[in-house]
Amino acid sequence: GENVEQHPSTLSVQEGDSAVIKCTYSDSASNYFPWYKQELGKRPQLIIDIRSNVGEKKDQRIAVTLNKTAKHFSLHITETQPEDSAVYFCAASDDSGTYKYIFGTGTRLKVLA
Amino acid sequence: ETGVTQTPRHLVMGMTNKKSLKCEQHLGHNAMYWYKQSAKKPLELMFVYSLEERVENNSVPSRFSPECPNSSHLFLHLHTLQPEDSALYLCASSQGQGGETQYFGPGTRLLVL
Repeated sequence: GENVEQHPSTLSVQEGDSAVIKCTYSDSASNYFPWYKQELGKRPQLIIDIRSNVGEKKDQRIAVTLNKTAKHFSLHITETQPEDSAVYFCAASDDSGTYKYIFGTGTRLKVLA
Repeated sequence: ETGVTQTPRHLVMGMTNKKSLKCEQHLGHNAMYWYKQSAKKPLELMFVYSLEERVENNSVPSRFSPECPNSSHLFLHLHTLQPEDSALYLCASSQGQGGETQYFGPGTRLLVL
């Protein structure tokens, strides 16, 4: 069945460094790719998303890139801060009429002060 | 945040108990979802309702029974659960089908003894 692989499962970076989290999807029909941030004890919250008609999207220190051919998409966080520490989930979905969201297994990011 | 609310936030139940989880969305969305979140696993989609009609049921055991009386409310009725059902149960809503952003509730942390 369809799946989304996410790497790494844990990531530690020094404050101010960049962090990159990568996801690979299997369903070629996927055309919507959101990223969620889940802080400890809190709900997942959308931080950025990208649709298949663009290759990159940026919002301040956060960016997402998409390679449709390779079925890869990545989250890039620059100038990391301690408050970026959380679990990040990628997901893949499509707008063909299904309600299917496939989530990755999550990456626990620790930003060390 | 008050977009998607869930009650109770924490629940401890024995294997012979019957309990219900409640979700309410105040966003005017027409699709609602139940997810199970277990440690080190991807979010598992359990049920999807669109306009109060169940559209997805991902091979969930019958001890979980969903109910959607209207587009703003979603319930998950629990009975004769197993210890392995202990997890965080997240509700989400979206405007329409896949390819739309999902908004999550804070979750119910369930412990089955």
